[in-house]
Amino acid sequence: AQSVTQLDSQVPVFEEAPVELRCNYSSSVSVYLFWYVQYPNQGLQLLLKYLSGSTLVKGINGFEAEFNKSQTSFHLRKPSVHISDTAEYFCAAANAGGTSYGKLTFGQGTILTVHP
Amino acid sequence: GAGVSQSPRYKVAKRGQDVALRCDPISGHVSLFWYQQALGQGPEFLTYFQNEAQLDKSGLPSDRFFAERPEGSVSTLKIQRTQQEDSAVYLCASRDSHSGNTIYFGEGSWLTVV
Repeated sequence: AQSVTQLDSQVPVFEEAPVELRCNYSSSVSVYLFWYVQYPNQGLQLLLKYLSGSTLVKGINGFEAEFNKSQTSFHLRKPSVHISDTAEYFCAAANAGGTSYGKLTFGQGTILTVHP
Repeated sequence: GAGVSQSPRYKVAKRGQDVALRCDPISGHVSLFWYQQALGQGPEFLTYFQNEAQLDKSGLPSDRFFAERPEGSVSTLKIQRTQQEDSAVYLCASRDSHSGNTIYFGEGSWLTVV
């Protein structure tokens, strides 16, 4: 079984400040890891993904995340946030491996609110 | 189409009514998923199709939930005798073998059972 835990339900931050959204996972097999963003009344949009290779992954809108296998973490970071980054962010995991079809297990979400 | 399309976007159903939610995946995508997202929660897996074959329905919460994809493209999620606890956003997603395991989501169908 797999689980994903997002450690903060809400993160308030001021515009142009750095932000880190924390995500830990638990799995008995190798995983792929993802961050999605959801704006109000919209679907999920992929920010970035880790499949293999470099543990530092860069995504859209200036976001990046680092895969840390020893700490089973995949924290999302941005050095300077904008008002438009206000949204809910979801961390997700999927089993890696040839027979996997990519079913995602999601965390509970972190609401990022950027204040002027 | 350019993205995953879902309809209706919003549905209000009276308790006990049957509802049908439609998903039109990205053209050519073999894999199709349905997820349920309750208010304030992350999406939870319901079922998975590869072409027309339903390979995993382990997430369907009860036998009132039924999904089909008869021709391997459009899919329908049907909920019979809706209950208040069925109120949620139902997300459809699709993926193909060339997208590097990226799953693309639709905007969801918001179901409210009153």
